[in-house]
Amino acid sequence: EPEVTQTPSHQVTQMGQEVILRCVPISNHLYFYWYRQILGQKVEFLVSFYNNEISEKSEIFDDQFSVERPDGSNFTLKIRSTKLEDSAMYFCASSEAPPGLTQYFGPGTRLTVL
Amino acid sequence: GDSVTQMEGPVTLSEEAFLTINCTYTATGYPSLFWYVQYPGEGLQLLLKATKADDKGSNKGFEATYRKETTSFHLEKGSVQVSDSAVYFCALRNAGNNRKLIWGLGTSLAVNP
Repeated sequence: EPEVTQTPSHQVTQMGQEVILRCVPISNHLYFYWYRQILGQKVEFLVSFYNNEISEKSEIFDDQFSVERPDGSNFTLKIRSTKLEDSAMYFCASSEAPPGLTQYFGPGTRLTVL
Repeated sequence: GDSVTQMEGPVTLSEEAFLTINCTYTATGYPSLFWYVQYPGEGLQLLLKATKADDKGSNKGFEATYRKETTSFHLEKGSVQVSDSAVYFCALRNAGNNRKLIWGLGTSLAVNP
């Protein structure tokens, strides 16, 4: 069964460093998403992406964040200058074109900022 | 804004016990409702969904009915197994072009043999 994959599973970085989290969505999906979950808190939407552009972003997704689909398979989340409060589990998801409703999630990347 | 409230965990049950995890929501319009499950060390998996009032979603013995009158989508299972131990998340997706999921806090379930 097709699945969303994410790498790395765990990333440790120093405050102020740039990180890139990678995702490979399901191959025939057209909508891509990033969510994050800070330990003990709710899963939060960050951004959705369709047709090579951001379709929606939350207030969390400020100028420090960017997303890219650099080729036909990868979908990346970049954090330019990490802060301690960026420590979280980051989930990538993908879904089909309408009328598909189901978002399929990857296993997540745990980001630890020291 | 839209929100989801889940009963707090952890929930600890013995095998074969009946499970209910409460979920209520606040939303404008007519959202779709979801339960996702996260097994230890794994990602978020869709467990079941319902897209309109009175729909019942079901999967792996779990059920949830979309109750518009009580704005609820409670998860139930008649007889839990040890393998059901996981964190369960209730979520909604509102209508329109907005595709983001709004999540509850998650409820941890531990089933003892």
